[in-house]
Amino acid sequence: DQQVKQNSPSLSVQEGRISILNCDYTNSMFDYFLWYKKYPAEGPTFLISISSIKDKNEDGRFTVFLNKSAKHLSLHIVPSQPGDSAVYFCAASPRRDGGSQGNLIFGKGTKLSVKP
Amino acid sequence: ETGVTQSPTHLIKTRGQQVTLRCSSQSGHNTVSWYQQALGQGPQFIFQYYREEENGRGNFPPRFSGLQFPNYSSELNVNALELDDSALYLCASSTSGEQYFGPGTRLTVT
Repeated sequence: DQQVKQNSPSLSVQEGRISILNCDYTNSMFDYFLWYKKYPAEGPTFLISISSIKDKNEDGRFTVFLNKSAKHLSLHIVPSQPGDSAVYFCAASPRRDGGSQGNLIFGKGTKLSVKP
Repeated sequence: ETGVTQSPTHLIKTRGQQVTLRCSSQSGHNTVSWYQQALGQGPQFIFQYYREEENGRGNFPPRFSGLQFPNYSSELNVNALELDDSALYLCASSTSGEQYFGPGTRLTVT
C-alpha cells in the first residue's frame, strides 16, 4: 500500500506560468517532507523540504505547502522554465532531522514538461 | 553535482549470479542509504549504514546485503539474482539533513 501518492503521472505547463505538483500521504507519523527533481541518467536532486511544524517553505521560485489535516502537500514553481522539465518526486520521513538517519518513502513521481 | 559517485554505471548479469555495486559518499558524510528504483516507480529503501553499522532496513530479502567502510564508502551485494532485481540502484549520503543521491547503477538481469 502506497504511503506517499503522486496521483498525476505527468503535467504540462507553459513557460512563465505556475506549475503545481501535488502529493498525498497516509501515515500521520511522517514528520518531514522533501521534494526531489530527477533528470534522465542522473540521481534525484534535493529541491526543497518542509517540517511538519510549518505549513509553508519558500526558496526562490519554489514553494512547498503542507496541509497536515488533509495529509497533502504541494510544490509550486513560479515562474516555470523549460529547464524545470524533469520528474519530481515527493518523499516523506518519520524523522525531524530530514531523514538523514532513516529511510525516505517516495511517491512514484510526476513528469513535468515546461513548454517554451 | 552532489559529490556522490557510484560504479559501475551499467551492468548486465544472468539470473542466479551475484553482483556488487559501489558507492563513494560525499566528503564528510557518515551515512549511506541504498534505494532500488524499478521502472515507473519511486525509489524504495533497501537499507542504511551509519558509521559502518546497519542502521535500518526496508522490506528486502537477506540476499540483499551491504557494507560500509571506514572511509564511509559502501557496497551493496545481491546474491542469487532474479529477473525482478532489474532496476536502477541509488545510493545517497548524508550527515544531518537531506540525503544526497548519486547517479545510480542500472542493473539488468537476464
